[in-house]
Amino acid sequence: DIQMTQSPSSLSASVGDRVTITCRASQSISSYLNWYQQKPGKVPKVLIYAASSLQSGVPSRFSGSGSGTDFTLTISSLQPDDFATYYCQQSYSTPRTFGPGTKVDIK
Amino acid sequence: QVQLQESGPGLVKPSETLSLTCTVSGGSISSYYWSWIRQPPGKGLEWIGYIYYSGSTIYNPSLKSRLTISVDTSRNQFSLRLSSVTAADTAVYYCAREAQYYFDCWGQGTLVTVSS
Repeated sequence: DIQMTQSPSSLSASVGDRVTITCRASQSISSYLNWYQQKPGKVPKVLIYAASSLQSGVPSRFSGSGSGTDFTLTISSLQPDDFATYYCQQSYSTPRTFGPGTKVDIK
Repeated sequence: QVQLQESGPGLVKPSETLSLTCTVSGGSISSYYWSWIRQPPGKGLEWIGYIYYSGSTIYNPSLKSRLTISVDTSRNQFSLRLSSVTAADTAVYYCAREAQYYFDCWGQGTLVTVSS
């Protein structure tokens, strides 16, 4: 199985801050990396697919980069609606695996 | 707009079989891979397995010995059966569609509690 790790596990930030979350795969996954946002009690929602493609309807303040084993999700200017948990997920191989999540809360 | 809806018992006894069905509406189940994903309370996401509309399946090895995923294209449904459940199987269970290698549509999720 491909193991996914994320850092940090949590962070506190203010509205307007630039936020960066890192995801690392245990082996190369090319660009088969997706990012999801999940709010408490809600369904995960895809933000970024294929490492850097913005899902339709997702604000442009979200961006993704990376390939191989190291990936980054960036929120350019944090908004009140962005406080949530973020998961990375690889689709290079089965079993599909998710990172443990990064919780973004209000500073 | 494709919508997915999970259904099934919310309470299952230890050692029994957990059974859930996902109904796909607003689109055909033909094409795409259809997954089950679960999330224990307060924890992260775990992929359980998926099925293609043709019936071919791939399961998470961690659950494979207890798992069956099936599809009924005539009803636009796919189903999950997980046998010999324990408290560790308590989770919110989601069904989801995988398109272009990412999960683009999810059901609302259903909490299944394993308890006597």
